[in-house]
Amino acid sequence: EDQVTQSPEALRLQEGESSSLNCSYTVSGLRGLFWYRQDPGKGPEFLFTLYSAGEEKEKERLKATLTKKESFLHITAPKPEDSATYLCAVQDWDSNYQLIWGAGTKLIIKP
Amino acid sequence: KAGVTQTPRYLIKTRGQQVTLSCSPISGHRSVSWYQQTPGQGLQFLFEYFSETQRNKGNFPGRFSGRQFSNSRSEMNVSTLELGDSALYLCASSLNQNTEAFFGQGTRLTVV
Repeated sequence: EDQVTQSPEALRLQEGESSSLNCSYTVSGLRGLFWYRQDPGKGPEFLFTLYSAGEEKEKERLKATLTKKESFLHITAPKPEDSATYLCAVQDWDSNYQLIWGAGTKLIIKP
Repeated sequence: KAGVTQTPRYLIKTRGQQVTLSCSPISGHRSVSWYQQTPGQGLQFLFEYFSETQRNKGNFPGRFSGRQFSNSRSEMNVSTLELGDSALYLCASSLNQNTEAFFGQGTRLTVV
């Protein structure tokens, strides 16, 4: 069965303290992996799509990487405005395009 | 370019009533998906429409239904509302079924 697990569930960092969020997945064949950011009471905001192992994408203080079994979202020198829940979703070649979502990592950046 | 628009933003209904939520996708997007989000369950997939056809359906009872119109706008309907249906309902649109999805702000439904 396809599965997506995100860790940790919550992460508290001081402003400027870099860290990584993990998204591990079990699918028969990865079509794509998606990262989103969600603020409380709002819809998720698209960040990145990764398609193959070794691929990396960057946006401001965020960098997403992909291996055959997991993806990392690295956050460098975070600021309080980076506080949000980060969601990961995967699309399997056999799932008729349906996205399988992780439960998310709640990131809190203290000033 | 306008984003995904969901209406209404907030809704309060009584148990047993029915409700219809609306979603206008980004212009040119043909795929629309609906999700239910609650604090304990995270994002739960309801259904997905592509070119007016339901392509995928999640594990929700038949009280939850949807449709997509020829202009790609979509509606979802929940009949015989229960207290447990209180949630944030999110709509997402994508150009095609294998491209990234963009979400609306959601409709916050409260059932009393």
